[in-house]
Amino acid sequence: AQSVTQLDSQVPVFEEAPVELRCNYSSSVSVYLFWYVQYPNQGLQLLLKYLSGSTLVKGINGFEAEFNKSQTSFHLRKPSVHISDTAEYFCAVRGFQKLVFGTGTRLLVSP
Amino acid sequence: EPEVTQTPSHQVTQMGQEVILRCVPISNHLYFYWYRQILGQKVEFLVSFYNNEISEKSEIFDDQFSVERPDGSNFTLKIRSTKLEDSAMYFCASSESWTSGLNTGELFFGEGSRLTVL
Repeated sequence: AQSVTQLDSQVPVFEEAPVELRCNYSSSVSVYLFWYVQYPNQGLQLLLKYLSGSTLVKGINGFEAEFNKSQTSFHLRKPSVHISDTAEYFCAVRGFQKLVFGTGTRLLVSP
Repeated sequence: EPEVTQTPSHQVTQMGQEVILRCVPISNHLYFYWYRQILGQKVEFLVSFYNNEISEKSEIFDDQFSVERPDGSNFTLKIRSTKLEDSAMYFCASSESWTSGLNTGELFFGEGSRLTVL
């Protein structure tokens, strides 16, 4: 079965600082990985995805993630965060015709 | 840009009442889903639907839940007799393909329907 672990429930960071949100996965099939963002009182929006090819994936809003097969990780990074990046971030792995989500990491950006 | 739309955005109901949440998936998508998010918790899979039948359901999706695609555009989730613990945000999602294409495996989500059971 597929599963995702997001070790950090909350990550506080100052504006313009770099951030890394951690995600580790477990999958017995071909690995497709996703990061979704949920702004307050909104739905889920795709940030980026890894299907195959280059292990460094670039997404929207300046985010990127690196797929590391040996460490079974897919950490999300941004070199300089903005106040507007405050949101919940969900890592997800493809299961059988569905996505399996992690518990989410709340990114709190303060001035 | 095509999007998944959900109605209502918020529904308040009394315990024991029936609730129907409605979704209009993206028109050329083939796979449809309901997920649930209890306040402050993870996004949980409820059910997937393909080719006019349930393809998978979680243990949360018990006999009080049902899904239907009554016409070519709507996809509904019915909760027959709501309980307090059904209070959550319910997300509908759709997907184009699981085997090929740029959107392989990607789910497109609606804005959600917040259900409050009193």
